[in-house]
Formats: sequence, C-alpha cells, structure tokens
Amino acid sequence: GQQLNQSPQSMFIQEGEDVSMNCTSSSIFNTWLWYKQDPGEGPVLLIALYKAGELTSNGRLTAQFGITRKDSFLNISASIPSDVGIYFCAGNYINQFYFGTGTSLTVIP
Amino acid sequence: EAQVTQNPRYLITVTGKKLTVTCSQNMNHEYMSWYRQDPGLGLRQIYYSMNVEVTDKGDVPEGYKVSRKEKRNFPLILESPSPNQTSLYFCASSLSPSGSYEQYFGPGTRLTVT
Repeated sequence: GQQLNQSPQSMFIQEGEDVSMNCTSSSIFNTWLWYKQDPGEGPVLLIALYKAGELTSNGRLTAQFGITRKDSFLNISASIPSDVGIYFCAGNYINQFYFGTGTSLTVIP
Repeated sequence: EAQVTQNPRYLITVTGKKLTVTCSQNMNHEYMSWYRQDPGLGLRQIYYSMNVEVTDKGDVPEGYKVSRKEKRNFPLILESPSPNQTSLYFCASSLSPSGSYEQYFGPGTRLTVT
C-alpha cells in the first residue's frame, strides 16, 4: 500500500505556542485530510483539502495541499490544553484512504 | 443524532472462533469502510463499500470478509481469527460514493485474539 510519512511523531509544547506538522507521500493524492483522535474515540475530521496548492483554515488550524500533491502540512496557532490528542493526515486516491502514523501532541499549561 | 455505531466495543476471543463485528449508520451514507489501528502504524483500510452489494479490498484485507446487504449496515467478519488480528477496529461512513472525505467514525472495537 501507499506509505504516508508523518512528522514529528510526538510534540511537547507550552500552551500558547504554535505547532506545525507535516505529511509526505511517495504517491500523489486527490485529497488530503487532517484528523484528530482523542483517547478512546474515533478520528474526527479537522480539515479537508481538495486541490493542489490549496490553503484552508478552520479557526486556529491551517492546512495546505502541496503543489506536488505528495505532501501536506497542518499548523495550529496559539495552542490550548484541549488541542491534546493524536493528529493524523490521510490521503484519498480512487475511493481508498491511506493514513499517516500520527503526531501525538501534548500541551503543557 | 447522526452516528456510526459498532458492537461489541470490546471482545476477547480465541484463535479460530468465528466472529462478527457489526457497524451501523443512520445518516443514509453510501460509502462505508473498515479500518484497523495498530500502534505506530496509524489506521489501515481493510475493506470499503460504495453502495449496497458493492465492496472492495482496502490495503489489508487478508483474513477479513465484509458484506453490504443493506445501506445502513456493514459487518466485518473474521472467519478464523488469529492473534495478529488483535487490534482496534473502526467503522466509518460518508455520504458520497467516492468518499466525500467527511468520514464519520464509530467509537471503535477493541479485539483481542488469544
């Protein structure tokens, strides 16, 4: 299957700091997606990106679909304690979804 | 309330004993999918269905079966479970046959095969 490399694996930051994580693939995708998973729950969609070069915001979250269609990044500004969780990137190609290995975010108050 | 439900939430079984994990959605979604989540590997797609009676293999289909006889239900069947199928399983659904990308995930089923 297609491999998505997500980095960093984990982050420990102070409340109020900005966060950046990214995802790269060896293959192109039609869509890039970013999800957040809280402990004991299923992933929840944060942002969906549909076109190469697209930059989309959702509150304090901003994500971009790379021009090459092989990468994407997610930024979180002014982090707060409820941002804690695992963030996953995912790519969609011909009805199938491929997920990154996740970035675990810890926010220190 | 719009939701995806899975049952059971927790299951401990023995090698070779057939089991079924049910998945149901009440949003009239056409696309449904099963994933397994393992530490360090993220979520991997097992099977997906774009509509009733239409199912396709995902990235890791070996050892699993699915069926889609009704739009709302998409059970995952393990005919002869093995320890390497111990994992956290998620069902998901979305509106569009091509995925719609707004996938709603169920709460997960934690399966242990001894």
